Amino acid sequence: AQKVTQAQTEISVVEKEDVTLDCVYETRDTTYYLFWYKQPPSGELVFLIRRNSFDEQNEISGRYSWNFQKSTSSFNFTITASQVVDSAVYFCALSLNTGGFKTIFGAGTRLFVKA
Amino acid sequence: NAGVTQTPKFRILKIGQSMTLQCTQDMNHNYMYWYRQDPGMGLKLIYYSVGAGITDKGEVPNGYNVSRSTTEDFPLRLELAAPSQTSVYFCASSYPGLPEAFFGQGTRLTVV
Repeated sequence: AQKVTQAQTEISVVEKEDVTLDCVYETRDTTYYLFWYKQPPSGELVFLIRRNSFDEQNEISGRYSWNFQKSTSSFNFTITASQVVDSAVYFCALSLNTGGFKTIFGAGTRLFVKA
Repeated sequence: NAGVTQTPKFRILKIGQSMTLQCTQDMNHNYMYWYRQDPGMGLKLIYYSVGAGITDKGEVPNGYNVSRSTTEDFPLRLELAAPSQTSVYFCASSYPGLPEAFFGQGTRLTVV
């Protein structure tokens, strides 16, 4: 069975602090995809990043960076110098290609960034 | 491009009523999905479709039905609404071969 665990339910930081959101996944498949989505207070889901299971390279996009480690089944997300606009719920997700991509979402981490 | 459009945005149903949540996309995506999001939870897959005429169950299909007669449209039907179906429903679509999904704005449904 597949599972995504985001152990941090809520995180509160002060603007300009760095923050890391943890994600641990479980799957027996060797081919899979990992994602992060952002859900701002307005409610829509915004795709942030995808990694496939064969690509363990870390990625940096502006203030965002992602650390994928297969050895620990983790796909953590770091926001550097957080801003108030980063306040949102962040979801980690795992997708398998079963003839249509079935995606399993974690429960989400709510990030509050205070000015 | 409008992307993925869901209607209505909000709806209140009485127990036992039926309704259809509409979803349409203009990106020519083959794959379409319906998810529900309960308060404080992640999204759970209800049904998905890999193309017109083809649908399959996700994690939580009970109480729902879908159809896919065109590439663009993927309506979700609730036949006998129950309070347990109070949730936010998201429709999404993706290119075949690319797993990241583009989501609609959501439909907030309350069953009383």
